[in-house]
Amino acid sequence: NAGVTQTPKFQVLKTGQSMTLQCAQDMNHEYMSWYRQDPGMGLRLIHYSVGAGITDQGEVPNGYNVSRSTTEDFPLRLLSAAPSQTSVYFCASSYSGSWQYFGPGTRLTVT
Amino acid sequence: KNQVEQSPQSLIILEGKNCTLQCNYTVSPFSNLRWYKQDTGRGPVSLTIMTFSENTKSNGRYTATLDADTKQSSLHITASQLSDSASYICVVSAIRDMRFGAGTRLTVKP
Repeated sequence: NAGVTQTPKFQVLKTGQSMTLQCAQDMNHEYMSWYRQDPGMGLRLIHYSVGAGITDQGEVPNGYNVSRSTTEDFPLRLLSAAPSQTSVYFCASSYSGSWQYFGPGTRLTVT
Repeated sequence: KNQVEQSPQSLIILEGKNCTLQCNYTVSPFSNLRWYKQDTGRGPVSLTIMTFSENTKSNGRYTATLDADTKQSSLHITASQLSDSASYICVVSAIRDMRFGAGTRLTVKP
């Protein structure tokens, strides 16, 4: 099993550009989620999904969109990048109430 | 407001020593509490998960305790190793909410 994979590892965007962060898991987990991690702060939930076709907002959803067309994939879209979105982004997956598996992260810089 | 506070922010210990990290929370209604280890530049890795009815859970040299009455948890690391150098994150879940602490940065020196 590859576990949770994320691409790209690093990305630099200019303000206003859009992009998609990819996340995939091969463990057949129904739960998937996206977090951002900023210095001195805990991870904050952006969006999550409890199954294919179902998504919901987390704590900090503004400026981000998600979709879940398959169990395996959960892409995160930045609609119009802003410097405030400079962060490290983690994708995670799990069965309900069980161990959560995190991907290696994407380090995003918006200039 | 649902919050998770961890202490200390950072800790330096010598290899072979024990240490205890603290987590206080106000998340309600409580569902479960998890501890994660995050190495620099990597994603968090689960260490333990405890529900309301559990007051201790071990994973090798890591032992987590939970006092749901006082809303406190601790992570005890026994006989520390250089590879224990990492950030340790406490995460508390409610029914439709999950809150992460800012973490404790542990450095183990030879």
